[in-house]
Amino acid sequence: DAGVTQSPTHLIKTRGQQVTLRCSPKSGHDTVSWYQQALGQGPQFIFQYYEEEERQRGNFPDRFSGHQFPNYSSELNVNALLLGDSALYLCASSLLSGGSNEQFFGPGTRLTVL
Amino acid sequence: GQNIDQPTEMTATEGAIVQINCTYQTSGFNGLFWYQQHAGEAPTFLSYNVLDGLEEKGRFSSFLSRSKGYSYLLLKELQMKDSASYLCAVRDQGFQKLVFGTGTRLLVSP
Repeated sequence: DAGVTQSPTHLIKTRGQQVTLRCSPKSGHDTVSWYQQALGQGPQFIFQYYEEEERQRGNFPDRFSGHQFPNYSSELNVNALLLGDSALYLCASSLLSGGSNEQFFGPGTRLTVL
Repeated sequence: GQNIDQPTEMTATEGAIVQINCTYQTSGFNGLFWYQQHAGEAPTFLSYNVLDGLEEKGRFSSFLSRSKGYSYLLLKELQMKDSASYLCAVRDQGFQKLVFGTGTRLLVSP
């Protein structure tokens, strides 16, 4: 049973460029949440997707957008990259209905903006 | 607003016991989580508390007092591999959004 997978592992971009990060949730999970983790900080919630819709959004600008597909996988898009967008981007999957309380995190994508 | 506080760094000796505290002030509460995160890796789930009291899981225990907005993670029989960051997170009411603290970096020495 595969856990949460993310791609790519590492990415280097320059200011102003656009990036797309991908996430496949754990088998059986239907909800995907995205977090940004700057060095030395805790993860910050970006947004959450369920049934292909954004359910909740954190305090991030519109440059950050996402999508969830019918197979529950998800993408995070960031436009007009800034140096401050350099961070580890984590995807977490969970089951909205059901007894589990845990969010399973993927290995993350390390984004460096030069 | 939402605020979660935990110490930045702690040190302890192999074989000892360490307690990592977390205080929170959040607009909603639907459970408190502790995660372990080794450098450069994803957070891994350690424990979950939604009712007051102590939850024990092997060498790890977690305590919650909702009235005080307080939790702690207790690590017993420390091992070198326990050197990591420990993240306290509160789940938002009605949703699954997690609000994290900045994490406590624990260094276990021989």
